[in-house]
Parts: sequence; C-alpha cells; structure tokens
Amino acid sequence: DAKTTQPPSMDCAEGRAANLPCNHSTISGNEYVYWYRQIHSQGPQYIIHGLKNNETNEMASLIITEDRKSSTLILPHATLRDTAVYYCIVSGNYGQNFVFGPGTRLSVLP
Amino acid sequence: DTAVSQTPKYLVTQMGNDKSIKCEQNLGHDTMYWYKQDSKKFLKIMFSYNNKELIINETVPNRFSPKSPDKAHLNLHINSLELGDSAVYFCASSQGNRRDEKLFFGSGTQLSVL
Repeated sequence: DAKTTQPPSMDCAEGRAANLPCNHSTISGNEYVYWYRQIHSQGPQYIIHGLKNNETNEMASLIITEDRKSSTLILPHATLRDTAVYYCIVSGNYGQNFVFGPGTRLSVLP
Repeated sequence: DTAVSQTPKYLVTQMGNDKSIKCEQNLGHDTMYWYKQDSKKFLKIMFSYNNKELIINETVPNRFSPKSPDKAHLNLHINSLELGDSAVYFCASSQGNRRDEKLFFGSGTQLSVL
C-alpha cells in the first residue's frame, strides 16, 4: 500500500502556479520524498526529491514541512504540457520499495 | 539517445501463447525493474534485479520470468498468457547504490491478450 495520500484530481490555469499537496504522516527519518509524473501513454518521469530541506530544480520546487509529514510540489508556471498524473512517493531503500499510489491527475486549462 | 528502451511498444497475442518483452538501458545503472500498470492505472513493482541478481520478486505468477543476460538488459518472459495479463508493462533502471535513487522508466509495452 502507498504510504502517501494525494487528492485525486486538481485543475490549474495555464501560466499560474500549480501546488500539489501530499501527506506522508508515517514517513521515517531516512526516507526521501519523491515526485514523479506520468503523461498519458508515457513512462513515469522523475521530477524532484528531497529529505528535509526545500528543493528546487528546472522543473519544480518541493516544499517539505518541518515535521516532514507533508509536502507540496510547485510547478511555478504551469503549461498545457504539464497535464499529467503526479505521484508522491516516500522511499529510503535504494528505490526498491517505490510504491506508486493513484496520484493526482492535474489538468492545466487554457 | 533513449536511456531506457523497451520493445515492442504494442503486443497483441492470443491466450495461451508465450511472449517476451525486451528492455535495455544505456545509463550504466546496476539495478533494473519491471512494473505493471493495470487498467485502473495502479503501477506495481514486479521484479528488481541488481547486477543480474534477483532482488525483489513480488507476488507474481511464476508464468512471469525475468532474465538478465547482463546488467544493461532485463527481459520479461511470459508463458501461457491469460486475459488478466493485459496491461502496460514498464521497465525502469536506477544506479542501485544510493539511498536517494532516481528511477528512469521506459515508454512502456502495452500487452493485449485476446
């Protein structure tokens, strides 16, 4: 079973920031928070990951609460091509127990 | 260059047949995986290989047999195909020696059993 909970769907206007929440209240101290996305008919794509500090890369920002029980993925300027299912995963064991839940279906609207 | 490539992209076959899906990665990774995505879109791990050795073997019928001739390849053989095997199968790879692993996925093979 997935160790994370996410809203099943969200909408976002094109050009606006998309903020995708994830709860992981049972995360343990050595587990990382990962975000992947799956665009229709493609394989999942890595976006970003973090342990306890906030992270930013060319795709997104990851904000992790101080107690690490939840996090938010931020796409700063969503485009139509960001429409996808976004998965939040916690794992700390060499990727071997990556459990994908149902994720959040993000629809970016023109 | 495609990092993780799998073939074929589509596979349509009759019940009872035996088929294979091939996967190759050119990332120099030590660990490779097979995932299955069913009709409800849940993505579940099936197998994990590290340096040609089986690491994870989730509850998968023994009709499914992974084969790793070298660490860049992990093929999936399926015997006596059943209707319930219809799904999209994804191959993935990771370095295998870090706690913060990134998985790189192939583009998937859509298997339809008639």
